[in-house]
Amino acid sequence: GQNIDQPTEMTATEGAIVQINCTYQTSGFNGLFWYQQHAGEAPTFLSYNVLDGLEEKGRFSSFLSRSKGYSYLLLKELQMKDSASYLCAVMDSNYQLIWGAGTKLIIKP
Amino acid sequence: TAGITQAPTSQILAAGRSMTLRCTQDMRHNAMYWYRQDLGLGLRLIHYSNTAGTTGKGEVPDGYSVSRANTDDFPLTLASAVPSQTSVYFCASSDSGQLTDTQYFGPGTRLTVL
Repeated sequence: GQNIDQPTEMTATEGAIVQINCTYQTSGFNGLFWYQQHAGEAPTFLSYNVLDGLEEKGRFSSFLSRSKGYSYLLLKELQMKDSASYLCAVMDSNYQLIWGAGTKLIIKP
Repeated sequence: TAGITQAPTSQILAAGRSMTLRCTQDMRHNAMYWYRQDLGLGLRLIHYSNTAGTTGKGEVPDGYSVSRANTDDFPLTLASAVPSQTSVYFCASSDSGQLTDTQYFGPGTRLTVL
């Protein structure tokens, strides 16, 4: 079966750095997405990785290792507004997105 | 532009009743999707449409139907609601110029079936 694993919840301090991991087992691979979802709101796109390596976008970076079935989202200089759930999703061989349950990130002052 | 709109925002529905969740996008995206989101689970695809006039079944299609008469609208119908259909429903769209295009989500409809 297809499976996406991410931690259920993480806590970090304002101004710090946090890494949210995602491991996956899917039928084929056509890229990995990270989305941010604030409570009661819609998911919004953060990043897309299809090749191995690190993609940096401001305070957010995303890393992919296809051989290990592993990705992480790195958030630097954490702000209170970063408190949200972070969803990892993999596009399988049928170009359908398989979603993880999300990691709820709590930022403390 | 509005992007994707969904209606209603929330609804309480008696079991056995039918209901249509509306979704409209103004981005002229080819592909549209319906997901449900339940606590502790990832988003699960119900139905999708790669282009106007075509639809396909996702991971959890039973009890739901869709239509895609034009590019902008993608309504989701529950013919006879059951309590297990209590969920938050998100509509999404993507340009699908390439199949790996980013999906953009509507604000969601919170449905409670009693």
